[in-house]
Amino acid sequence: QVQLVESGGGLVKPGGSLRLSCAASGFTFSDYYMSWIRQAPGKGLEWVSYISSSGSTIYYADSVKGRFTISRDNAKNSLYLQMNSLRAEDTAVYYCAREMRELLGGYFDYWGQGTLVTVSS
Amino acid sequence: QSVLTQPPSVSAAPGQKVTISCSGSSSNIGNNYVSWYQQLPGTAPKLLIYDNNKRPSGIPDRFSGSKSGTSATLGITGLQTGDEADYYCGTWDSSLSANYVFGTGTKVTVL
Repeated sequence: QVQLVESGGGLVKPGGSLRLSCAASGFTFSDYYMSWIRQAPGKGLEWVSYISSSGSTIYYADSVKGRFTISRDNAKNSLYLQMNSLRAEDTAVYYCAREMRELLGGYFDYWGQGTLVTVSS
Repeated sequence: QSVLTQPPSVSAAPGQKVTISCSGSSSNIGNNYVSWYQQLPGTAPKLLIYDNNKRPSGIPDRFSGSKSGTSATLGITGLQTGDEADYYCGTWDSSLSANYVFGTGTKVTVL
C-alpha cells in the first residue's frame, strides 16, 4: 500500500534551517509529481511547493520562494524540503503528498502523517 | 491567503444533508478540475472528490461533487457523526505561477 512518512521536523530558532524528508513506498516513486503542503496551528491548508517526477520542473508558493528548496532522489524514493531563513510564520505541520497530474490540473491522492516545524526563540 | 472561499461552518442533524460551496475565479476553478479533502480531527487530509465529481475507491456515494463556472459544491447526504471534520476544496491556479490553491475550509458539525 502507498505510504508517505515525513521526518525532520522540530524546534528551530528564527533565521535557522531545517531539512524535511519524506520516505515513499508502495508505488513507483519516479512516476509521480510530489508536493509539500503545510498547515499552521488552527489554520487551513497552504500549498508550499511541487516537483515533477524527474525533478526538472519545480514551483514554489510566493511565501517561501527564495528560502525553501524542494528536491527528490528517485533512487532512494525520497522527497526533501530544505528550509532556510525560517520565520515564525513558517510554524506548521508539513505534509508531503503524492500528486496525480492531469491536463486540467491535478489532485493529491495520498498524504503523509505530517511533521511539525516550530520556529521560535 | 486563500483565493477560494468557503463558508466557515455548516451543520445539520444526523441523516440530513449539507452542502459546502467553494467560490473561485476563471484562473482557478473556471479552468481546472476541483478536488475536495476531508480532514478529521488530528489527522492528515484525505482525498474525498477529484476531477470535480469523481470518488476514489472506498469513498461512499453519500459524498458528491459538482462544478459550475467558477464555483464548486460538495454535498454530503445521510450525515453521520463520523463526518464531523474540516473540508477543503482545492485546484490549480494558472495566474499565480502554477500555484495550487486551497479553500478557506469548512467545519462540518453534526448536531
